[in-house]
Amino acid sequence: SQLAEENSWALSVHEGESVTVNCSYKTSITALQWYRQKSGKGPAQLILIRSNEREKRNGRLRATLDTSSQSSSLSITATRCEDTAVYFCATDAWTNAYKVIFGKGTHLHVLP
Amino acid sequence: DAGVTQTPRHEVAEKGQTIILKCEPVSGHNDLFWYRQTKIQGLELLSYFRSKSLMEDGGAFKDRFKAEMLNSSFSTLKIQPTEPKDSAVYLCASSPGLGGDSQNTLYFGAGTRLSVL
Repeated sequence: SQLAEENSWALSVHEGESVTVNCSYKTSITALQWYRQKSGKGPAQLILIRSNEREKRNGRLRATLDTSSQSSSLSITATRCEDTAVYFCATDAWTNAYKVIFGKGTHLHVLP
Repeated sequence: DAGVTQTPRHEVAEKGQTIILKCEPVSGHNDLFWYRQTKIQGLELLSYFRSKSLMEDGGAFKDRFKAEMLNSSFSTLKIQPTEPKDSAVYLCASSPGLGGDSQNTLYFGAGTRLSVL
């Protein structure tokens, strides 16, 4: 089973609207990251939020973290067509070695 | 600064062939990861190196997948022999791995799309 998981497979919004992608995770973490992957490219980090932080912002992006419910959200305001991408949450995990585990991603489509 | 470079971008192999994918991490990074990406499974970790030492060899991927890091600026992923189910995008990522806010940030290459016929 996934250690980190986005709650929606796909979302569609119109340009200018706001959208929130949610993520739940199963392990104790030191940090949770949000990545975006555009077609034909590798994922790129958007925000890293540490376990002692509750909220972090990066321009039009806002991430929250609730360690009690083991959940996180990424909100995008004033969406643009170029925000169309797959959004992943990722958690760090220690089993026999450190690793970064990704959810399966939420496909966001921003329509004109 | 150069990002992570992966070659080739596309690879087509016949079933049973051996293929080698290449990755050059960001200069100075200590951690290197190989992931496989498919629509069904998402991003699956194959291997993880810290300071050139193999820390994670991917469990279920052990038998036909072998990642190596011969020096701090070059890594390979060998798949031998290839099977049609190996068709996927293979992503390489590197990370500073030294602490601070950027410790866990992964920088990805554009990936190699492998098709096995």
